[in-house]
Amino acid sequence: GQSLEQPSEVTAVEGAIVQINCTYQTSGFYGLSWYQQHDGGAPTFLSYNALDGLEETGRFSSFLSRSDSYGYLLLQELQMKDSASYFCAVRDLAGGYQKVTFGTGTKLQVIP
Amino acid sequence: NAGVTQTPKFRVLKTGQSMTLLCAQDMNHEYMYWYRQDPGMGLRLIHYSVGEGTTAKGEVPDGYNVSRLKKQNFLLGLESAAPSQTSVYFCASSYKGYEQYFGPGTRLTVT
Repeated sequence: GQSLEQPSEVTAVEGAIVQINCTYQTSGFYGLSWYQQHDGGAPTFLSYNALDGLEETGRFSSFLSRSDSYGYLLLQELQMKDSASYFCAVRDLAGGYQKVTFGTGTKLQVIP
Repeated sequence: NAGVTQTPKFRVLKTGQSMTLLCAQDMNHEYMYWYRQDPGMGLRLIHYSVGEGTTAKGEVPDGYNVSRLKKQNFLLGLESAAPSQTSVYFCASSYKGYEQYFGPGTRLTVT
C-alpha cells in the first residue's frame, strides 16, 4: 500500500523561508503533488513533480528525489496569508488505475 | 465556468437514513474523486472514477456507493448513515490525475 509522512506542525516567522518535507512509500510511482488548504476551505493545487529536481512557481518551490522517495515544499518570503495546512499527495498506479493518496498534512503557522 | 460544485453544502442525518451527495464539474475532466476529511486525518479517498461509467474503490469505501452515469456528474450515496460517517466530504476532478480541482465541500453530521 501507500504511505506518506510529513510533519504535523511547523511555525515560521513572517518574511522567512520554511521547508515542509514529505517522504513516501508506494509502488508504481508517477509523481508528487502539493496542496494548500486554509481553515474551512477546500484544498487548492500548488505544484507537481514527476521528475527529480526543483519546480518553481513564484514564492513556492517543490523538489523531488525519486531515488530517496522524498520531496519538499519550500515557501519563501512568508506572508501571514500562508498560514494554512499543506498536503503532499502521491500519484501512483493501483489496481490498474492511476489514483492519488494524500498525506495527513502539515499545519503551518506564520507569526509576526 | 463554475468549476466543481457540490450539493448540498450542509446536511444533518439521523442514523439509518440515506442520502446522495452530488458533484458536478464543467471542465470536461475524465477523473473524479470523493474524499472525506476528518480532523487530523487528512484527505482519505472513498471512491473515484477515471471516466464515464467507471468507478473504483479508494481507501475507505465501506458504507458508500457511487455512480458516474454522466461525465460531468459523480454521485456519492450513503445507504444507511452511521455516526462514524460524520465528516466533511470533498469532491474533486482532474484532467490528468495529478492537478485536482476541489469543490467547496459538504459538511455532514449523523446523529
